[in-house]
Amino acid sequence: DSGVTQTPKHLITATGQRVTLRCSPRSGDLSVYWYQQSLDQGLQFLIQYYNGEERAKGNILERFSAQQFPDLHSELNLSSLELGDSALYFCASSVVGVHTEAFFGQGTRLTVV
Amino acid sequence: AQKVTQAQTEISVVEKEDVTLDCVYETRDTTYYLFWYKQPPSGELVFLIRRNSFDEQNEISGRYSWNFQKSTSSFNFTITASQVVDSAVYFCALSEEGAQKLVFGQGTRLTINP
Repeated sequence: DSGVTQTPKHLITATGQRVTLRCSPRSGDLSVYWYQQSLDQGLQFLIQYYNGEERAKGNILERFSAQQFPDLHSELNLSSLELGDSALYFCASSVVGVHTEAFFGQGTRLTVV
Repeated sequence: AQKVTQAQTEISVVEKEDVTLDCVYETRDTTYYLFWYKQPPSGELVFLIRRNSFDEQNEISGRYSWNFQKSTSSFNFTITASQVVDSAVYFCALSEEGAQKLVFGQGTRLTINP
């Protein structure tokens, strides 16, 4: 168990809908990262938050947004969902930066139908 | 730009064989970090090792060993006396200093047959 908790584990929703994925980082970790894993794109970095502030942005669509709350948990919001958004979404956390050990949650498998 | 190449898409071996997973990386930075992660069938990503660019010492952890060679930009992973439980997808990843993200290779699916 990595100590990073993601909910829900599975999510099935229809095109056009909006979903929220939740991540609780390991105790003491200030950084949270979101990654998307799809068959065609592999593992892609989406966004990073550090202590509540956005620090780095990757290939995140405008329809997606994220935030980190004062208790350090993070949420990834996906809206106007398309079939191509079906993927495994991972949250990871680390003490400070990604150069320390980054531990991943079990992921949320999103299926858009 | 950062790039990681894992040329072996799939490897299948018989239990107890040794197997090496290749990882070649590209970066212009002199300070960077290399990682290996394991993704078993259950789906989670399990951290295996982190290595910085100034430490070229090989590392051994039980049946696992890693060979880092800056001259060839490679960070290969060897499993000795493989076991069925080693079956998983293995990812190599790179992070440049200050980049705040991991760039992953496409992964190598390793199947250990009994």
